[in-house]
Amino acid sequence: DTGVSQNPRHKITKRGQNVTFRCDPISEHNRLYWYRQTLGQGPEFLTYFQNEAQLEKSRLLSDRFSAERPKGSFSTLEIQRTEQGDSAMYLCASSSRGGDEKLFFGSGTQLSVL
Amino acid sequence: GENVEQHPSTLSVQEGDSAVIKCTYSDSASNYFPWYKQELGKRPQLIIDIRSNVGEKKDQRIAVTLNKTAKHFSLHITETQPEDSAVYFCAASRGQNFVFGPGTRLSVLP
Repeated sequence: DTGVSQNPRHKITKRGQNVTFRCDPISEHNRLYWYRQTLGQGPEFLTYFQNEAQLEKSRLLSDRFSAERPKGSFSTLEIQRTEQGDSAMYLCASSSRGGDEKLFFGSGTQLSVL
Repeated sequence: GENVEQHPSTLSVQEGDSAVIKCTYSDSASNYFPWYKQELGKRPQLIIDIRSNVGEKKDQRIAVTLNKTAKHFSLHITETQPEDSAVYFCAASRGQNFVFGPGTRLSVLP
């Protein structure tokens, strides 16, 4: 499978716990994005990497959220001290730079905070 | 920053009829406008896109039109089929971030 891969598919956690999600982009893509989607809404931008550099971060993103892409390949998104309002689908997407900027999404990680 | 609005929020059509979904954007620097289809429980999938140097693009039953002056673009689906039922999202980008509209739930009635 050469598409965008996300793990885990589902995560249930208790309020206050930390969670970490992983995204493996399409191998030749150097841009990686994290989005959050709640029921009935469009994807909401969280952050974006070009190679290993985090170039943009949403102003709405709490300090409890952090993302890394240490070697410019896979990325992790960590949420510390989870709150019930963090419950959502977390989508990763990737694209290639220069000319063809088509964005391809993974299947997402569904987070439920109890 | 960019703001994308999308209308209508829900749309029901009879099988075989056409469906039109409209989006407006605020940032005149946006130059790439993709459309995504998302079925229940699945990932958004790119169905068609258009760049700002083109006014219209067609792919079989799907077409997209762009009016840069008015800053709006539309998705047209002809000869709708039940499998077209899904949520459709428009987006706007100026080469980096993508801003998505809130979505349109399309129901094609047999």
